[in-house]
Amino acid sequence: GAVVSQHPSWVICKSGTSVKIECRSLDFQATTMFWYRQFPKQSLMLMATSNEGSKATYEQGVEKDKFLINHASLTLSTLTVTSAHPEDSSFYICSARDLGQREYNEQFFGPGTRLTVL
Amino acid sequence: GQNIDQPTEMTATEGAIVQINCTYQTSGFNGLFWYQQHAGEAPTFLSYNVLDGLEEKGRFSSFLSRSKGYSYLLLKELQMKDSASYLCAVREGGSYIPTFGRGTSLIVHP
Repeated sequence: GAVVSQHPSWVICKSGTSVKIECRSLDFQATTMFWYRQFPKQSLMLMATSNEGSKATYEQGVEKDKFLINHASLTLSTLTVTSAHPEDSSFYICSARDLGQREYNEQFFGPGTRLTVL
Repeated sequence: GQNIDQPTEMTATEGAIVQINCTYQTSGFNGLFWYQQHAGEAPTFLSYNVLDGLEEKGRFSSFLSRSKGYSYLLLKELQMKDSASYLCAVREGGSYIPTFGRGTSLIVHP
């Protein structure tokens, strides 16, 4: 199956700093990747859709200036949490679709990044 | 928009069968997914239904009734490793991006 990796798997930072999270599709190309946030015992909430070579599409209520997304290649998307605050502490998960696998159009998820802002 | 409802938590015994229900309200239904998510890990794909009926995959089966806005995930011969959260996700209209329910936390005990 398609493999998606994320780095780092966890990060602890001070309030006011910026944190970059990388999402890579390892064995397929992904023109579109998705960024989710998940709070404890809550559902996956879609934050934005990352499009290779163009601007990301943000969901309502997600600040695009705070959560910067760059999708520079067909295998890499990055999410930068700028000026992080404790309320940004969450589990961030990326996913991608493998266009070569069209049966279900399911998403393949990365292992997630646990962000803790002190 | 969509309204997806699943039980918050269920418990079952090792070796038993458990059914996790999911109801949804949507305009323009276009597929339902079930994902398994262990604590602190990413969701993994289990099943996909777009037509009415039962899809069987080993110990896991998923059922869909579009007219009732209802699906269930059936887990047979439960194992301890099946303890996880099970997410129902519904795709609507022309979007290929599903909306996730809150998930059902399944606890399997000996």
